[in-house]
Amino acid sequence: NAGVMQNPRHLVRRRGQEARLRCSPMKGHSHVYWYRQLPEEGLKFMVYLQKENIIDESGMPKERFSAEFPKEGPSILRIQQVVRGDSAAYFCASSPDFVGNEQYFGPGTRLTVT
Amino acid sequence: SQQGEEDPQALSIQEGENATMNCSYKTSINNLQWYRQNSGRGLVHLILIRSNEREKHSGRLRVTLDTSKKSSSLLITASRAADTASYFCATLYTGANSKLTFGKGITLSVRP
Repeated sequence: NAGVMQNPRHLVRRRGQEARLRCSPMKGHSHVYWYRQLPEEGLKFMVYLQKENIIDESGMPKERFSAEFPKEGPSILRIQQVVRGDSAAYFCASSPDFVGNEQYFGPGTRLTVT
Repeated sequence: SQQGEEDPQALSIQEGENATMNCSYKTSINNLQWYRQNSGRGLVHLILIRSNEREKHSGRLRVTLDTSKKSSSLLITASRAADTASYFCATLYTGANSKLTFGKGITLSVRP
């Protein structure tokens, strides 16, 4: 049973470009969470999705950031017109049906904006 | 902010010693979880303790929860160099719609 997969592992973008981060949850998991981690910081919650639904996006910046989890395919975190402050590690986690239990994390995507 | 706080921020011990890490939080919780993160990697779930539990064990890990003090501790016994990592507590607050709130983490260094 493969774990949570994220790609790419490293992504370099110039200011103003778009960044697309992908997350495939563990098999059988229907809940996906995105977090952002800055150096020497803990994880900051961004968004919680179930298939085709955004459940909680209270941690998402109001502009430039969006997330989806379509019926088929991976969850996507999209950052438009990236700025240097977007440079961070972005982690995806998934959990099975019962919310509130442990979350299984992917290896993260390290985004660098030059 | 509802963010939990870990204490100490950094801990350095000798292999074989016990490591104790603490976490405090602010409002009532459904459960509290501890995670480990090795440098450059994702987080790995260690243990979950529910609000009606006081103590839990898993291998060399022992977690306690004191809801009256809104605090938890993680004890790693007989530490090994491989335990070197960052440790985070995460709380699921009551009514939080399943959103985990992470602390800033504790950096544990175990010297061989």
